[in-house]
Amino acid sequence: EAGVAQSPRYKIIEKRQSVAFWCNPISGHATLYWYQQILGQGPKLLIQFQNNGVVDDSQLPKDRFSAERLKGVDSTLKIQPAKLEDSAVYLCASSLSQIGNTIYFGEGSWLTVV
Amino acid sequence: QQPVQSPQAVILREGEDAVINCSSSKALYSVHWYRQKHGEAPVFLMILLKGGEQKGHDKISASFNEKKQQSSLYLTASQLSYSGTYFCGTGDNYGQNFVFGPGTRLSVLP
Repeated sequence: EAGVAQSPRYKIIEKRQSVAFWCNPISGHATLYWYQQILGQGPKLLIQFQNNGVVDDSQLPKDRFSAERLKGVDSTLKIQPAKLEDSAVYLCASSLSQIGNTIYFGEGSWLTVV
Repeated sequence: QQPVQSPQAVILREGEDAVINCSSSKALYSVHWYRQKHGEAPVFLMILLKGGEQKGHDKISASFNEKKQQSSLYLTASQLSYSGTYFCGTGDNYGQNFVFGPGTRLSVLP
């Protein structure tokens, strides 16, 4: 079974530039998560989708971050404009459903903002 | 609200045991445990659902005390491969508000 796919794996951009990350969850998984993990900290949930609807985006900095999951399958996360403090690993994860299921993580997209 | 993990870090010799605790100030429905090695994605260890059950496989087990709103991860006869950062994640019964703790860094030395 294929895992959660993410791209690009690494990205270096200058502050005020924009960047987009793509995620393809495990087939059949209705719930998709985007997490931000800053070095030395636990993953922080940015947004959670159930199919193509947003369940929780309370910690998403909406002035610069946006995410969509138009057809309920793959998803993109965009940052525009980027700030230095956005340097982190962006982890996409998926699970069968919202409640009580294992969350499977992708390998992450490493962002460095200079 | 982020759960609290203790200890922050622990160093063991191969073969020793360790306990990592996770507690929350809110009612919990589920507790997930993950291990993350440096530069890699978190890997699922186990999930415990409301009901106070204990789960385990191999020499890693966990308990969930819903009354105390806490969970503990037990690592028995630790191996070098157990090294990494352990995160607990907690969620409510609506499948929302899932948050990870700050992590416990475990180092197993030969």
